[in-house]
Amino acid sequence: SQQGEEDPQALSIQEGENATMNCSYKTSINNLQWYRQNSGRGLVHLILIRSNEREKHSGRLRVTLDTSKKSSSLLITASRAADTASYFCATEYPGGSYIPTFGRGTSLIVHP
Amino acid sequence: NAGVTQTPKFQVLKTGQSMTLQCAQDMNHEYMSWYRQDPGMGLRLIHYSVGAGITDQGEVPNGYNVSRSTTEDFPLRLLSAAPSQTSVYFCASSRDGGQSYEQYFGPGTRLTVT
Repeated sequence: SQQGEEDPQALSIQEGENATMNCSYKTSINNLQWYRQNSGRGLVHLILIRSNEREKHSGRLRVTLDTSKKSSSLLITASRAADTASYFCATEYPGGSYIPTFGRGTSLIVHP
Repeated sequence: NAGVTQTPKFQVLKTGQSMTLQCAQDMNHEYMSWYRQDPGMGLRLIHYSVGAGITDQGEVPNGYNVSRSTTEDFPLRLLSAAPSQTSVYFCASSRDGGQSYEQYFGPGTRLTVT
């Protein structure tokens, strides 16, 4: 399987702390996306970063991409209880169908 | 816009029964896909379509059929349900632009096969 792998599988922090999740993949990619899934709901797109980009920001979210290490990280600053969710990375590969492949996710719990 | 809609939200089937999970989008997206989500497995791609009349297999296609007669609809058919198909099924769509764009997901269908 070409899916990315998130690390850690689970993360528990206090409100106000920063949360960092990582995604590693095996072969060259066109782009990498991060999604959030609240319990029992569909996935919601957060950020897409293309292979020629190194960093993107969206509000309290910061995504980095290191193609030499084949890894990406998602940083959530000043976490809130509402950030409690599972976070997935999704990778899209050259010569593919433009349909991304999802990892297994990181489960984040933010305690109030 | 309603976005991506899926019906039903919940379904219980007996082994051997067949059924169709419905998916529709009103965003005029060319790309549509079906994923299944199992605990600890993330989302796995079942089938996808890059436009009306065009479908292809994903990672786990066995036991499922799809068709895409219109841009809006992408139904998933379970031919003969098995307990291994107990899962949560998500439909997603994205626009075509010669590259990958964000996926819009439906709310999911929780299927139990007994």
